[in-house]
Amino acid sequence: AQTVTQSQPEMSVQEAETVTLSCTYDTSESDYYLFWYKQPPSRQMILVIRQEAYKQQNATENRFSVNFQKAAKSFSLKISDSQLGDAAMYFCAYRDSGAGSYQLTFGKGTKLSVIP
Amino acid sequence: DSGVTQTPKHLITATGQRVTLRCSPRSGDLSVYWYQQSLDQGLQFLIQYYNGEERAKGNILERFSAQQFPDLHSELNLSSLELGDSALYFCASSVEPYGEAFFGQGTRLTVV
Repeated sequence: AQTVTQSQPEMSVQEAETVTLSCTYDTSESDYYLFWYKQPPSRQMILVIRQEAYKQQNATENRFSVNFQKAAKSFSLKISDSQLGDAAMYFCAYRDSGAGSYQLTFGKGTKLSVIP
Repeated sequence: DSGVTQTPKHLITATGQRVTLRCSPRSGDLSVYWYQQSLDQGLQFLIQYYNGEERAKGNILERFSAQQFPDLHSELNLSSLELGDSALYFCASSVEPYGEAFFGQGTRLTVV
C-alpha cells in the first residue's frame, strides 16, 4: 500500500519569508499524482497544487511551487512571500493514475504558522 | 466555495445511535468520495461511488454504509456509534471516477 509521510508536524515562518514543507511517499507505481492541500481553520480542504509523476517539470501556482524528486520519492512544497492567510494545516496526498485505485492517501499534515 | 454541499455541519449524538450524513456533489460530477478525519488516524478514505455504483472501498467499518442516489447525492450512514467515531467527515466529488476531487466543508460528528 502507498504511504505518505510528513515529518514536520509544525512549522513557522515570518511574514514575507519563504518556507518549505517536506513530504515523502512510498509507491511501486511509476505513474501517479501528488497533491498539496491546505486546510485553514474553516476546515475546508483546498487544493493548492498538483504534480503528475510523468512530468519532470515542477508545478508552480503563483507563490506556491514544488520540488518533485521522483527517484527519491520526495515532494516538497515551497511557499514564497508568506502571507498571514497561508497559516493552515497542509496535507500532502498521493493518488494512483490508473483505474482501480481512485482514493487519495494523505500524510498526517504540517501545521504552518505565519508570524507577523 | 467548492460547490460540494454537506449537511449537517455539526452533529452531536449519543453512543449507540445512528446518523445520516448527506452530500450534494458539484453540478455535473458523477463521482463522490467519503473521507474521515480524526486526530489519531488523520484523513482516511472510506468509500467512493460513481454514477450510483460503488467504485472503491477503503477503511470503512461494517457499521458504516453509503449509497449514491439517482440524483447523484450521497448519504453516509453511521450506526451503533462509538466515542471513537467522533471525527470530521468529508465528502468530495469529481467529474470522472479518478478526476480531481473537490471537497465539501465537512460534517463535524461528536459522539457523547
